[in-house]
Amino acid sequence: GAGVSQSPRYKVAKRGQDVALRCDPISGHVSLFWYQQALGQGPEFLTYFQNEAQLDKSGLPSDRFFAERPEGSVSTLKIQRTQQEDSAVYLCASSRLSFSQETQYFGPGTRLLVL
Amino acid sequence: AQTVTQSQPEMSVQEAETVTLSCTYDTSESDYYLFWYKQPPSRQMILVIRQEAYKQQNATENRFSVNFQKAAKSFSLKISDSQLGDAAMYFCAYRSANYFGNEKLTFGTGTRLTIIP
Repeated sequence: GAGVSQSPRYKVAKRGQDVALRCDPISGHVSLFWYQQALGQGPEFLTYFQNEAQLDKSGLPSDRFFAERPEGSVSTLKIQRTQQEDSAVYLCASSRLSFSQETQYFGPGTRLLVL
Repeated sequence: AQTVTQSQPEMSVQEAETVTLSCTYDTSESDYYLFWYKQPPSRQMILVIRQEAYKQQNATENRFSVNFQKAAKSFSLKISDSQLGDAAMYFCAYRSANYFGNEKLTFGTGTRLTIIP
């Protein structure tokens, strides 16, 4: 079946603009994760959903970052008033079950550049 | 909080040779999972191998194997018979087995592996 998909793959924004990044998890996957990967670094956790419930948002760097998954499938990460330090690759991952040892499958990422 | 350290920013190996990538981690938990992920230049992160901390036997997946030393908190990846397609960034990652609210992965900073033809 299809893997995790993300759109857009690349996004250039002017400082102060709002952006929305989309993640389509593998069909039927319960858990969905967002990670931020700065250049030359490992991914860092942002937030986690079990179905439509956002169970952990401890990694969101500021209140400008907001994520939702209203119907328990597609998720959107929104960044308001983008800053240059928001430039990074945003990775989405999904896993089949929650509270389990299931593997997380990653999407190709959205590369965000804020000018 | 858990931390993962990869002390080798870059490694290179001749094609068909064996290379070992190092990873250490710090945790106060007794039960957890460890992973090696591969990230080729296209940036799709792919799971290479995983290890459950409660298992003493080292995991193997074809040419990939790990050396898991729980007491030393060490988790190295050995790639045998290296191939050109193995060239990528390799990330070591930790996940708690305390499921409730702790399903996130904690990654190291990565090791860039170059395969020399």
